[in-house]
Amino acid sequence: KAGVTQTPRYLIKTRGQQVTLSCSPISGHRSVSWYQQTPGQGLQFLFEYFSETQRNKGNFPGRFSGRQFSNSRSEMNVSTLELGDSALYLCASSLGGQGQAEAFFGQGTRLTVV
Amino acid sequence: GESVGLHLPTLSVQEGDNSIINCAYSNSASDYFIWYKQESGKGPQFIIDIRSNMDKRQGQRVTVLLNKTVKHLSLQIAATQPGDSAVYFCGNAGNMLTFGGGTRLMVKP
Repeated sequence: KAGVTQTPRYLIKTRGQQVTLSCSPISGHRSVSWYQQTPGQGLQFLFEYFSETQRNKGNFPGRFSGRQFSNSRSEMNVSTLELGDSALYLCASSLGGQGQAEAFFGQGTRLTVV
Repeated sequence: GESVGLHLPTLSVQEGDNSIINCAYSNSASDYFIWYKQESGKGPQFIIDIRSNMDKRQGQRVTVLLNKTVKHLSLQIAATQPGDSAVYFCGNAGNMLTFGGGTRLMVKP
């Protein structure tokens, strides 16, 4: 069974640009969550999508957005990139039951903003 | 604010010793806690979970203890091995899965 796949693995962007990251969940999983990981802030929850709808949202500005397709694949977009957006972006998939703790993470996309 | 937080950013233990990683939680936390392990270059991986109707739960070489009186939970790793070297996150699974800062466990040979 294939795991969670994130593309691309590495990305370098310039301030002011926008970026789109992709996540393919484990087959059968309907929930996809996105996290930002930085050395100083740990794992910060961005948002969760379930059946193409955003079900939960963290405390990030509107420049961070996402969507989920009918096949459960998800994308997140960051517009008007800032230097502080440099981070490892992780997505996690799960079956999607509320309060379910076992999520499966991808290896992440390392975004560097210069 | 965060519902869970780790006590120490790093922990160094001797191979073969037991490791204890501590985490505190706030009133805003839900009644379901989890531990994840993240090895270098990989995404976090689920280790074990516990609900608030339990005080203790055991897995393979790991035990999670939950003290609701002082809002504290801990992850104990028995006979720590070099492969246990990783960053450990405690988390809270309410409507969404959120994490505190991690503790880096370093195992000395």
